[in-house]
This record gives sequence, structure tokens and C-alpha cells, in this order.
Amino acid sequence: EVQLVESGGGLVQPGGSLRLSCAASGFTFSTYWMHWVRQDPGKGLVWVSRMNHDGTNTTYADSVKGRFTISRDNAKNILYLQMNSLRVEDTAVYYCVRGLGGMQVDYWGQGTLVTVSS
Amino acid sequence: QSALTQPASVSGSPGQSITISCTGTSSDVGVYKYVSWYQQHPGKAPKLMLYDVNTRPSGVSNRFSGSKSGNTASLTISGLQAEDEADYYCSSYTGSSTLNVFGTGTKVSVL
Repeated sequence: EVQLVESGGGLVQPGGSLRLSCAASGFTFSTYWMHWVRQDPGKGLVWVSRMNHDGTNTTYADSVKGRFTISRDNAKNILYLQMNSLRVEDTAVYYCVRGLGGMQVDYWGQGTLVTVSS
Repeated sequence: QSALTQPASVSGSPGQSITISCTGTSSDVGVYKYVSWYQQHPGKAPKLMLYDVNTRPSGVSNRFSGSKSGNTASLTISGLQAEDEADYYCSSYTGSSTLNVFGTGTKVSVL
């Protein structure tokens, strides 16, 4: 069974940093693109970032480019999202998601809430 | 990149069929086959219902079907059931730097 478990969310002040982790199991992690998608409270879904299977290719949404960094540890089956210079508008539930092809995704984690507020 | 346009809400009675539209542009839905649909119940993570416009993942009911015409994709739920009450989001690959755009979301209510 595919499982994705996020952790690391919480309350942080504007300008602060946070690192999200996603522990993957039930599939061969090292062969999949992985993504982060976020959802503003009570609102829609927004794609944030993606990384290819071996970490050599990354892409970011314009809204987070230069502030967020995606990475992975295939030996530990963990995906990361380092978030720096956080803004109030980054407040959202962040989901770790497995890639399916053509920017489509299939399995989603349960999400971790990031709140940026003073 | 603007979000794909979906109706805010769609409703139907049990057993009926409903269709949710997802309108994009000639830079996303209109040119790519990578259109997917996700179901989200309150407080839960989204679940993939269709990908590549009309392909169902294993375990998804055949009551869910998809199509595309021009810049608009559609999700049809036939034989509507109470458990289908949820939010639905479409998504498409896009030629912009964002690479992906989600729809605005549609709340499906079963009367």
C-alpha cells in the first residue's frame, strides 16, 4: 500500500523558515517524480514544486521560486521541502504527492499545515 | 497562469448523472492530454479519479468518466450516490513556466 506521511508543519513568523518532510513507503520511491502541492485554507489546490527520481531535475512555481527548495533522500525514502523567507500568503496545507506523468499526480499524503503569522 | 474555470457547485439526486466542466485555454486543456480529476472529501486529502482525460485508476468506479472537447474537459458521474458528495478539482499540464494548473473546484451535492 502506498503511503506518504508529511511532517514538519507548524506556526512560523513571516520571514522565518520551515522544513517539511515526507516519508514514503509501499512503492519504489527512487523511481518516481515527487511533488509538493498546497491548499490554502478553504480554497483550491496549487502546485508548488517537483523533483525527478534522482534529484537532478527540479521545477518550482513562480510564487516560491528562490525561496523554497525541494530535495530527496532515496536511501531513506524521504522527500523534503525547505521553505525560507516565508510569507503570510504561504499559509496552507502542504501535500506530498507522487508523480504519474505529464505533471499529473496519483497518491497524496494527509497533508501538513503551515501557518505563517506574527 | 490563471486557474481553470469550474462551476462552483453542481447538484443532483441519487441515481442521476451530473457533469462538471473544466474550461481552460489553448495553452493547457486545449492542447494536452494530461487532464486529471481529483475528489476531495472535507478534511481529507484529494484522491485521483481520472487521468489522461478519461483513464480510471484501479479501484475507481466506472461511474466516473471523462472527456474533452476543445478547451473544455468534463467529468461525468453517473448513478450519483451519497458518497459522491465532495469537492472535485480538475488539473491540466500547461505550456507555461508553471507546468501545471488546477481548477477552481466544484462542490457536488447529492440532494
